[in-house]
Amino acid sequence: QKEVEQDPGPLSVPEGAIVSLNCTYSNSAFQYFMWYRQYSRKGPELLMYTYSSGNKEDGRFTAQVDKSSKYISLFIRDSQPSDSATYLCAMSDGGGSNYKLTFGKGTLLTVNP
Amino acid sequence: IAGITQAPTSQILAAGRRMTLRCTQDMRHNAMYWYRQDLGLGLRLIHYSNTAGTTGKGEVPDGYSVSRANTDDFPLTLASAVPSQTSVYFCASSAVLGAGELFFGEGSRLTVL
Repeated sequence: QKEVEQDPGPLSVPEGAIVSLNCTYSNSAFQYFMWYRQYSRKGPELLMYTYSSGNKEDGRFTAQVDKSSKYISLFIRDSQPSDSATYLCAMSDGGGSNYKLTFGKGTLLTVNP
Repeated sequence: IAGITQAPTSQILAAGRRMTLRCTQDMRHNAMYWYRQDLGLGLRLIHYSNTAGTTGKGEVPDGYSVSRANTDDFPLTLASAVPSQTSVYFCASSAVLGAGELFFGEGSRLTVL
């Protein structure tokens, strides 16, 4: 089993739809959970950052972490064409000498006007 | 605000040649990283540096070397390039190793023939 699994898509939705992006993981040491957005031919940029379990909301974006199920989600409400990008989940065990940050392979999202 | 600057943006290289990808940050971050991104494989860590003068191996370090002579610069060297090193290379930095937001450069697209 890979350490982080992410459905690569592609995912195509109409403008205004609610989008759900998900990752599962196997390493119970992961404590920090991130979602990065990557536009075509650009570097990834941080979208959401959460620690441990729970929800975090930022505008149209909501990140959920369920450590008991080893499952994280990113919800996008009222999706816009400008949300079209690849979304990468990333997880860390907390840094220091045991540093390890692992990325999912990314989900390609297209929001159609 | 420049953030992370990578050079070159794109390069075609003959196999066996030596190549150095340059990375400079202006955020005074302690930690810096080199990733390669390949279709179907996602982002994979090559090398990282916790602070000036120290470096560490990531997931796929073979064939690559790095140095961290000062806080701002983190060059990646391919001593003798091979076609399997054809990839998009991203430099990133964070304030602290393994925690917090990673800031990425725009990438260096390398083709080894």
